[in-house]
Amino acid sequence: GNSVTQMEGPVTLSEEAFLTINCTYTATGYPSLFWYVQYPGEGLQLLLKATKADDKGSNKGFEATYRKETTSFHLEKGSVQVSDSAVYFCALSNTGNQFYFGTGTSLTVIP
Amino acid sequence: NAGVTQTPKFQVLKTGQSMTLQCAQDMNHEYMSWYRQDPGMGLRLIHYSVGAGITDQGEVPNGYNVSRSTTEDFPLRLLSAAPSQTSVYFCASSYSYRDYEQYFGPGTRLTVT
Repeated sequence: GNSVTQMEGPVTLSEEAFLTINCTYTATGYPSLFWYVQYPGEGLQLLLKATKADDKGSNKGFEATYRKETTSFHLEKGSVQVSDSAVYFCALSNTGNQFYFGTGTSLTVIP
Repeated sequence: NAGVTQTPKFQVLKTGQSMTLQCAQDMNHEYMSWYRQDPGMGLRLIHYSVGAGITDQGEVPNGYNVSRSTTEDFPLRLLSAAPSQTSVYFCASSYSYRDYEQYFGPGTRLTVT
């Protein structure tokens, strides 16, 4: 079946620190992979996506590379800001009309 | 464009009551879905629709009904509320399901006492 596993939180970093949030997936075939971000009191927003192996998605300084050999889609940012404090969700879509989300990783960035 | 709208934002129900959570989108999206968000569980799919008149069950459909009579609207009905349905509910829509971004509504926080 399809599933997503992402690293447990919460994660607390100082401003300008390097961020990695790990995400691995299980799926048959060739899923599309996504990172969504949820700010307090809001719905989820797409952060970036990759639709085939070796694609790199990027947005607002965040990056993630679709690694089929390791079934991973880790989220990285070189220098986090206080405004990046949010919950981050890894997700996949595959044949079958459904999306599958990880449990979310809470990030707090302190000045 | 208003995007995806949900009403109400907050609701308190007593066990056994029924209610409908409203969801509407103005982007002419074919795919719509309902999720519930619980601490430590992420988002779990309740029901989804790939077009008007077509609905299907997701991971956690029990206790919920949906219908899709128009492209714009996708209401979620709680038939007989239970405390286990206390959650935050999100509606989402997208052009299609596979490679396309889902647009989420602001959510409905439901408490069942």
